[in-house]
Amino acid sequence: DAGITQSPRHKVTETGTPVTLRCHQTENHRYMYWYRQDPGHGLRLIHYSYGVKDTDKGEVSDGYSVSRSKTEDFLLTLESATSSQTSVYFCAISESDTGASPLHFGNGTRLTVT
Amino acid sequence: GNSVTQMEGPVTLSEEAFLTINCTYTATGYPSLFWYVQYPGEGLQLLLKATKADDKGSNKGFEATYRKETTSFHLEKGSVQVSDSAVYFCALRDTGTASKLTFGTGTRLQVTL
Repeated sequence: DAGITQSPRHKVTETGTPVTLRCHQTENHRYMYWYRQDPGHGLRLIHYSYGVKDTDKGEVSDGYSVSRSKTEDFLLTLESATSSQTSVYFCAISESDTGASPLHFGNGTRLTVT
Repeated sequence: GNSVTQMEGPVTLSEEAFLTINCTYTATGYPSLFWYVQYPGEGLQLLLKATKADDKGSNKGFEATYRKETTSFHLEKGSVQVSDSAVYFCALRDTGTASKLTFGTGTRLQVTL
């Protein structure tokens, strides 16, 4: 299994509070991604990173920010959590950003916003 | 834009039955195609992949063939087991740099004794 650790695994928070999810990898891969998984939508890309301090938006980035200060860590922050951000969040890593290179996923963080 | 369409689930089969999960895609260029599997409470695991037309990906008895003429990548297994019960996702990734992975909505497979 790819060395990807997500923390926390579960979190319950209140509307309006900031939340930070962490992804840590031991593979030294350059590319890291945050996805959310919701019923009927599959997985949707929130943000991704192509190197330290290099990040870009995905298809559902509103309300989220990311940071990558070290190769191994990619943080996802919900600035002010809303109920629509209740979801399961997955971090993924990839050795390359070309088409043939697969993504490898962590075990996810289940976030509930009340 | 790119998109992936999977058959609606759940798919319920008896053990040792033949499995087909349909997947079709829309993409510009020549994407790579993937099947991922998700067991309850876990992340997605890469099951198999194919990177060009007519390639066949295979793993753990599962296989899928990249059919460019029908833009399809159907997942098959000759004899399913209860342990195959999971959600299966078809996905594509563009060629070129900065390519993204686009997923289908997933198909739940339930295998019973």
